[in-house]
Amino acid sequence: GEDVEQSLFLSVREGDSSVINCTYTDSSSTYLYWYKQEPGAGLQLLTYIFSNMDMKQDQRLTVLLNKKDKHLSLRIADTQTGDSAIYFCAENPNDYKLSFGAGTTVTVRA
Amino acid sequence: NAGVMQNPRHLVRRRGQEARLRCSPMKGHSHVYWYRQLPEEGLKFMVYLQKENIIDESGMPKERFSAEFPKEGPSILRIQQVVRGDSAAYFCASSPPETPQQYFGPGTRLTVT
Repeated sequence: GEDVEQSLFLSVREGDSSVINCTYTDSSSTYLYWYKQEPGAGLQLLTYIFSNMDMKQDQRLTVLLNKKDKHLSLRIADTQTGDSAIYFCAENPNDYKLSFGAGTTVTVRA
Repeated sequence: NAGVMQNPRHLVRRRGQEARLRCSPMKGHSHVYWYRQLPEEGLKFMVYLQKENIIDESGMPKERFSAEFPKEGPSILRIQQVVRGDSAAYFCASSPPETPQQYFGPGTRLTVT
């Protein structure tokens, strides 16, 4: 099936790390993605991970994938006010169709 | 290289009117995807097109909705006889062939009054 779940809200203090979690259902997904959406804007591809990897790091972003549990997480180090946004986890159950979670709203407080 | 362009950014239509949403993919991208985002929900896949071909329209309502991606010009998502439930943000994405990344446009926010 195509069912991606995320927690809806996360509040974090500026300078702390944020961890956003996601579970997906389709074990055949080749890639898993994290997108960022700022208010009134489109989706920005933040990072993606190939399903045969456990971890991917890109500057302040670290993606962890537990394929056995179908669990994906995004860690943002040293969270800044500009990181306030909605973060979407997505899987691709086939070659082209992305299936998105409902999004996690991250609020960064001073 | 300009990103994915969508216009209009905001569109207001009365019930029963037609809505036309346009999407110009990134240069070099021949694959276009349309998604719909209802308030406080994630994006739902609608249709996948390549030049002059609809590859998968399984996410698109059977009635009133159509999409095209002609040889020349932008991709068009057309909604006939709009109803209040069509109010949503419609996002277009594009990709080059054989790559897993989809790049999204800013979206068109359709409001049906």
